[in-house]
Amino acid sequence: AQKITQTQPGMFVQEKEAVTLDCTYDTSDPSYGLFWYKQPSSGEMIFLIYQGSYDQQNATEGRYSLNFQKARKSANLVISASQLGDSAMYFCAMRGDQFYFGTGTSLTVIP
Amino acid sequence: ETGVTQSPTHLIKTRGQQVTLRCSSQSGHNTVSWYQQALGQGPQFIFQYYREEENGRGNFPPRFSGLQFPNYSSELNVNALELDDSALYLCASTPTWTATQHGYTFGSGTRLTVV
Repeated sequence: AQKITQTQPGMFVQEKEAVTLDCTYDTSDPSYGLFWYKQPSSGEMIFLIYQGSYDQQNATEGRYSLNFQKARKSANLVISASQLGDSAMYFCAMRGDQFYFGTGTSLTVIP
Repeated sequence: ETGVTQSPTHLIKTRGQQVTLRCSSQSGHNTVSWYQQALGQGPQFIFQYYREEENGRGNFPPRFSGLQFPNYSSELNVNALELDDSALYLCASTPTWTATQHGYTFGSGTRLTVV
């Protein structure tokens, strides 16, 4: 069975600081994709970053980077230089035969 | 290119009624999937359509059904609505379901309230 686990229901970070959101996954498939999405209060899921299971380098997209540790089956999202607009729900997801989502982490950026 | 469009944005229905939610996929995307997101939860996979055929289904009862049309737009139908069906319903499309590097583009969702 494939599963995504996010153990941090809520996180707080000071503006301009970095924050790490945790994600672990479970799959027996050798080929899979890991994604992070941001969901503001409007409801739309906004794609942030992708990491393929065979990628050797950690993915980066602007202020977002993914700390991929394959042996530990973790795919943590690092947001650098947090901004007030980063306050939202963040979901880790894995693509296998379907899209599996974690339960999400609510991030609040404090001025 | 246009993104994923869902309609309506909000809907209130009575228990026992039927509802149809609509989704227009992003241009060039032939795979559409639907998700139910209860308040405070992550999205749960309902089913997926690829070229008008259902090719995956989550743990949802048969009263949740769908269609995909030749232009790849899709409908989600829910019969005999229950109070627990109240949720945000998200539609997502992807260029193909065979390649894991493709993420899904999501719509803004339809918020369904069953009273």
